Amino acid sequence: QVQLVQSGAEVKKPGASVKVSCKASGYTFTSYYMHWVRQAPGQGLEWMGIINPSGGSTSYAQKFQGRVTMTRDTSTSTVYMELSSLRSEDTAVYYCARAISNRTTKYYYMDVWGKGTTVTVSS
Amino acid sequence: SSELTQDPAVSVALGQTVRITCQGDSLRSYYASWYQQKPGQAPVLVIYGKNNRPSGIPDRFSGSSSGNTASLTITGAQAEDEADYYCNSRDSSGNHHYVFGTGTKVTVL
Repeated sequence: QVQLVQSGAEVKKPGASVKVSCKASGYTFTSYYMHWVRQAPGQGLEWMGIINPSGGSTSYAQKFQGRVTMTRDTSTSTVYMELSSLRSEDTAVYYCARAISNRTTKYYYMDVWGKGTTVTVSS
Repeated sequence: SSELTQDPAVSVALGQTVRITCQGDSLRSYYASWYQQKPGQAPVLVIYGKNNRPSGIPDRFSGSSSGNTASLTITGAQAEDEADYYCNSRDSSGNHHYVFGTGTKVTVL
C-alpha cells in the first residue's frame, strides 16, 4: 500500500535550519509530485510548495521563497524539505502529501499524507 | 495569490445534514478537494473533483460546485464526523501553486 514515512521530531534554535524527510513506498516514486504542507499549533493548513520527483523541479509559496528548499533522492524514494532562518513562528507540524494531478479533468488533490513531523523552534 | 474562505464553525444535530462552503476565485477554474482532520491526526481526503469519494469514505459525504463556491455536504452526520474540514484548490493565477481554505470546525450535537 502507498505509504509516506516522515522523519522524527526536531527542536531547533532560532536562525538554524531544519531538514525533514519523507520516504515514499508502494508506488512509482517518480510518477507523482509531492506537496509539503504545514500546520502551526491551533492554526489551519498552509501550503508550502511542491516538487516533481522525476526532474526535481519545484514551486514554492511566495511566503517561503528564499527560505525553503525541496529536494529528492530517487535512489531512496525520499523527498526532503529544508527550511532555513527558523523563527518561533515556524513551530509547526510539517506534512508531505502525494499529489494527484489530471489536466483533463482538472482534478488536483492530495490523496495520501504522511503522519507529520513536529518542528519546534525555541531558544 | 488566491484565497479560499470558509465559515469558522458549524454545528449539526446527530443524523441531520450539514453543508460546508468554500469560496474563492480559483474555484471558477479548478475543482476543490476536501480534507477531514481530527485532533492530533494528519488530514484525510474525503472528496475530490466534481464529486468523488476515495475508497473507504462513507457515502454520506458529497461535494458540489457552482461558480466560485464549492460545498461539502454530510448527510446524516455521525459523531465520528466531528472534525475540522479544509478545502483546497490549485491557484488560478497561472503558477503551480495551491491554496487551502481557512477551515471549518464541525461539531455534532
